[in-house]
Amino acid sequence: ETGVTQSPTHLIKTRGQQVTLRCSSQSGHNTVSWYQQALGQGPQFIFQYYREEENGRGNFPPRFSGLQFPNYSSELNVNALELDDSALYLCASSERGDTEAFFGQGTRLTVV
Amino acid sequence: GNSVTQMEGPVTLSEEAFLTINCTYTATGYPSLFWYVQYPGEGLQLLLKATKADDKGSNKGFEATYRKETTSFHLEKGSVQVSDSAVYFCALISYQGGKLIFGQGTELSVKP
Repeated sequence: ETGVTQSPTHLIKTRGQQVTLRCSSQSGHNTVSWYQQALGQGPQFIFQYYREEENGRGNFPPRFSGLQFPNYSSELNVNALELDDSALYLCASSERGDTEAFFGQGTRLTVV
Repeated sequence: GNSVTQMEGPVTLSEEAFLTINCTYTATGYPSLFWYVQYPGEGLQLLLKATKADDKGSNKGFEATYRKETTSFHLEKGSVQVSDSAVYFCALISYQGGKLIFGQGTELSVKP
């Protein structure tokens, strides 16, 4: 059984660019959530996908968007990058939205 | 709205000392409660959980009891080790499911 994997592990982008982050969920999990963790802070919920449909969204602008694929893997897309988007982006998968979530190692995004 | 408050860090202890990290929450209904641990440069690992009042979660010598009357879920360990040095996050998920809500994290440093 494989855990949650994210790619890439590190990324540097320029302000105004677009970025796509990827996540493979744990085997048997149909729910994927994305979180943003700024330095020294707790993770903040971006959105959740359940069986390819968005199932809740946090307080993030529309330039943060996502997808979930039939195999339950997921992408997080961020358009028009801003310096404040620099953070660790965490993907978590779970069997259902109300059970414990298992996290990947994260993608460290730096916007310059 | 739902929220989690943790004691501020950093917390510095000597090896074999007793650890308590306080966590209180605000939530409607009966949330599930979690402690996650984050080692430097890594994602979050689930440490323990409790899903109803008076449940005690435990793992690797760590314990926390779900106290409905005081809305608390304090993390304890009887004898810490240097390898326990990490950031600890208290979190909840509402009975309605959806997102994890995290505290701001408490950094623990254990000295030999």
